[in-house]
Amino acid sequence: GAVVSQHPSRVICKSGTSVKIECRSLDFQATTMFWYRQFPKQSLMLMATSNEGSKATYEQGVEKDKFLINHASLTLSTLTVTSAHPEDSSFYICSARGLRGAYTRYTFGSGTRLTVV
Amino acid sequence: ELKVEQNPLFLSMQEGKNYTIYCNYSTTSDRLYWYRQDPGKSLESLFVLLSNGAVKQEGRLMASLDTKARLSTLHITAAVHDLSATYFCAVDTGTGNQFYFGTGTSLTVIP
Repeated sequence: GAVVSQHPSRVICKSGTSVKIECRSLDFQATTMFWYRQFPKQSLMLMATSNEGSKATYEQGVEKDKFLINHASLTLSTLTVTSAHPEDSSFYICSARGLRGAYTRYTFGSGTRLTVV
Repeated sequence: ELKVEQNPLFLSMQEGKNYTIYCNYSTTSDRLYWYRQDPGKSLESLFVLLSNGAVKQEGRLMASLDTKARLSTLHITAAVHDLSATYFCAVDTGTGNQFYFGTGTSLTVIP
């Protein structure tokens, strides 16, 4: 079945540094990738949507200069948290959208637990 | 702005009992997804509902979709402890670039 690999699974970084999270679709081409942030005991909040080769579309309230998204190929999207601060600590999950059979499927990565100290 | 609301947010139920989780959404959509999330983990796909009246069942879980009422339900039959998790519905707006999650329902099944 469709597999999305997300790395790293956990990262601890110092305040002010940048962190890059990778999301790869291993066995299908992802026309669109989504990035979500999830705080403890809350739902997944859509941060941005990216299509291969074009600029990401950010949700209202999400700083595009702080959360850099690159979708360079149909199998890879990256999220870079720049100048991270403790309030950026969260669980980040990517999702890749692709066709499986007759309909659209969304496959999720395993998530990245970011802790900014 | 699309809103996807689940009810209840928290559910504690005894093993063997039945219960239904509701998912209401505010925009036209005929694609509704249900996921399960265990603590500290990512999402596991449960059901994909693609048309009005769609009903799918897997084990003790059954999901249905009423696009006219903008409502989906996840029915739990004879709950067991292993079903304890957080359940999310999600709506695909159909434009291709928006996929929103419900508020989530945290389910605890008590032996």
